[in-house]
Amino acid sequence: QKEVEQNSGPLSVPEGAIASLNCTYSDRGSQSFFWYRQYSGKSPELIMSIYSNGDKEDGRFTAQLNKASQYVSLLIRDSQPSDSATYLCAVNRRQTGANNLFFGTGTRLTVIP
Amino acid sequence: GAVVSQHPSRVICKSGTSVKIECRSLDFQATTMFWYRQFPKKSLMLMATSNEGSKATYEQGVEKDKFLINHASLTLSTLTVTSAHPEDSSFYICSARSGRDVTGELFFGEGSRLTVL
Repeated sequence: QKEVEQNSGPLSVPEGAIASLNCTYSDRGSQSFFWYRQYSGKSPELIMSIYSNGDKEDGRFTAQLNKASQYVSLLIRDSQPSDSATYLCAVNRRQTGANNLFFGTGTRLTVIP
Repeated sequence: GAVVSQHPSRVICKSGTSVKIECRSLDFQATTMFWYRQFPKKSLMLMATSNEGSKATYEQGVEKDKFLINHASLTLSTLTVTSAHPEDSSFYICSARSGRDVTGELFFGEGSRLTVL
């Protein structure tokens, strides 16, 4: 079982719609959760971080975390063509003296004008 | 937010040569930096964890003699691809965490695209 799993997509939504991206993780000891956006040929850019159960909103983005079900999601409201990118889910396990940030394979989102 | 700079952004070299990539944290001290590689349409693969003042920790399957990592200061880590071959062609990305908390967010460099002819 992979540490972090995402639907690779591609996910296509019309402009103005809500895009919903999902991610599940395997380790219940995971502490922090991140969504990164990566444009083709560029490095990842942090979009959202979430550490506790529930919703966290930042502009058009909402991250949702459910530790009991071991999933984290990202909602993008009023999707724009500029949101077209690959979205990477990353999960950090707390282990002493080590980085354990595991990335999913990413979901490619296309927003159709 | 924290800024991580990576150089060069693109490099083309002949097979058998060595290539050095630099990763700098510009406005914070990074005791730990991380090196990833990414193949087209694939996710990031952690290669190694670079620790300031000590040896890097390599992930399973990554040759430490092939990918030399030096973290000489709190703001600079370097990755040297030694005796590069075409299969080493990839997108190499570094990242750094701005604090000691291992749960903190990572900031990524711009990436370095290596092409080995």
